Amino acid sequence: EDQVTQSPEALRLQEGESSSLNCSYTVSGLRGLFWYRQDPGKGPEFLFTLYSAGEEKEKERLKATLTKKESFLHITAPKPEDSATYLCAVPTILTGGGNKLTFGTGTQLKVEL
Amino acid sequence: DTGVSQDPRHKITKRGQNVTFRCDPISEHNRLYWYRQTLGQGPEFLTYFQNEAQLEKSRLLSDRFSAERPKGSFSTLEIQRTEQGDSAMYLCASSLQGAADTQYFGPGTRLTVL
Repeated sequence: EDQVTQSPEALRLQEGESSSLNCSYTVSGLRGLFWYRQDPGKGPEFLFTLYSAGEEKEKERLKATLTKKESFLHITAPKPEDSATYLCAVPTILTGGGNKLTFGTGTQLKVEL
Repeated sequence: DTGVSQDPRHKITKRGQNVTFRCDPISEHNRLYWYRQTLGQGPEFLTYFQNEAQLEKSRLLSDRFSAERPKGSFSTLEIQRTEQGDSAMYLCASSLQGAADTQYFGPGTRLTVL
């Protein structure tokens, strides 16, 4: 069964202090890796999909990278509005071609002034 | 382009009561998913529809849970004889077949069973 582990569980940064979040996975065959952002009391918001080792994607202060065993979400010069829980997930194909997402438990990021 | 919507956003019920939640997916999306999320955990898959057909159900989905998507548009999730362990956030997501199956989530329904 697919497994996803995220670290750290929680991270507190000062505004402008760059850092990285880790997502390690165990799957029978990688068909992609998804990153989502979740604010308290809301549903996850899609950020990125990565498909192959070496792939990178960027959005504002966020950059996601993928290796054969893990993915990193790099946050450069974060701002307080980047505070959220960041979730990663791997897909498992379902009947008809849909995908069940297996999520990690997330990294709760707090960016302070 | 409106996103996924869910109704109600919050539901408080007493143990043993039945509850029903509604999900309206993004209009052109033919796939619809239900997940459940408890505090400190990631969402867990419950069930999946392609058009009106329910194609997969998780072992997490006990006999007290039923989901429908009668015309391939909106979906409902019903929980019968609710238990305190059913307290969670129920999330709906939709995707478009062929578009990398990226799932877009709704705001969720927070269920509290007293």
